[in-house]
Amino acid sequence: AQSVAQPEDQVNVAEGNPLTVKCTYSVSGNPYLFWYVQYPNRGLQFLLKYITGDNLVKGSYGFEAEFNKSQTSFHLKKPSALVSDSALYFCAVRDDNYGQNFVFGPGTRLSVLP
Amino acid sequence: EAGVTQSPTHLIKTRGQQATLRCSPISGHTSVYWYQQALGLGLQFLLWYDEGEERNRGNFPPRFSGRQFPNYSSELNVNALELEDSALYLCASSLAHRGNQPQHFGDGTRLSIL
Repeated sequence: AQSVAQPEDQVNVAEGNPLTVKCTYSVSGNPYLFWYVQYPNRGLQFLLKYITGDNLVKGSYGFEAEFNKSQTSFHLKKPSALVSDSALYFCAVRDDNYGQNFVFGPGTRLSVLP
Repeated sequence: EAGVTQSPTHLIKTRGQQATLRCSPISGHTSVYWYQQALGLGLQFLLWYDEGEERNRGNFPPRFSGRQFPNYSSELNVNALELEDSALYLCASSLAHRGNQPQHFGDGTRLSIL
């Protein structure tokens, strides 16, 4: 069975500092990993994905994520946080076997303080 | 390219009534997913349709049902509404034949039960 954990409910960071939002996963096959962001009263917006290849994936709005197979992690990072990055962030995983659902983590609320 | 569209934006019902929510996927996407998100929290998977067939169902009672039409649009029906059904209902679409493709979300229907 697939599962995703986001160990932090809330992450606070000062504007201009680097940010990390953590995600760990469990799948039976090879993982497809995704990060999404949700702003108030909006749907989820796709940020980036890892399928195969380079472990460092770059996405929208200056975000990147690092895939670590041995630690089964896919942490989201940004070198310099903006106040406008404040939002709810979701990690998701899909097993590479067709027919498997996306499984979303519980979400991490990021607050960037001016 | 038009994104995923959902209607209505808001829906107010009373206990015991029935609600119908609609979703139009991105052009070319054959898979449609429905999620329930209560109080800005995590996503609870409801239903997955692909090529007109129900592929998977989450842990929800049978009064939650849906269908997918030949044009790949989808409808979610909730019968015998209860207070705890109040939530944001999100629809997403993807290219189902390629599991490494992300889901793309609409902005949701906010269902309020009085």
